[in-house]
Amino acid sequence: SQQGEEDPQALSIQEGENATMNCSYKTSINNLQWYRQNSGRGLVHLILIRSNEREKHSGRLRVTLDTSKKSSSLLITASRAADTASYFCATVSNTGNQFYFGTGTSLTVIP
Amino acid sequence: DTEVTQTPKHLVMGMTNKKSLKCEQHMGHRAMYWYKQKAKKPPELMFVYSYEKLSINESVPSRFSPECPNSSLLNLHLHALQPEDSALYLCASSQDPLLAKNIQYFGAGTRLSVL
Repeated sequence: SQQGEEDPQALSIQEGENATMNCSYKTSINNLQWYRQNSGRGLVHLILIRSNEREKHSGRLRVTLDTSKKSSSLLITASRAADTASYFCATVSNTGNQFYFGTGTSLTVIP
Repeated sequence: DTEVTQTPKHLVMGMTNKKSLKCEQHMGHRAMYWYKQKAKKPPELMFVYSYEKLSINESVPSRFSPECPNSSLLNLHLHALQPEDSALYLCASSQDPLLAKNIQYFGAGTRLSVL
């Protein structure tokens, strides 16, 4: 079964706006990762945040992690049409032997 | 080279056919993965190979048979599939077999249709 639930399922914004998507998970994790998938293509790793970290930045991406709430958020600032894709969180269990993708958020950035 | 190459890109097969999906990476990664992804769903892990040995099989039906001939290649042999097996099959690799340490690099996938 899936480890993570994401919301919203779908998000549509204007170019230049910020996009925020959230991921909630069920059990203790070693780390949480975010991936992007363009339509019908493979996934691309965006960022990894470890369970002892609270926030990470990479370019226009900002990820937060709240282990007490078992949740994470991905913020994309100043969105571009090229950011249109599905975004998945993925969790690695504390034991290190389980890896699950969340349900995903479909982001559409309107030019 | 950070590329994972999957062939073929598209595959149509009948339920009695035998076919194989191929995956190749030349990044020196020691772990390779097969995922199945249905439309508008997240990828589901099928198999993990660690140092060319099968380390995880997520209760996948025997009509899917993985093979890792060497550290750069991963195959998925298909036999007697069902229409519900139609999906995007993704291959990935990572430098370290320990899931806790890895970032996975994905191929573009094989779009499989079973008639």
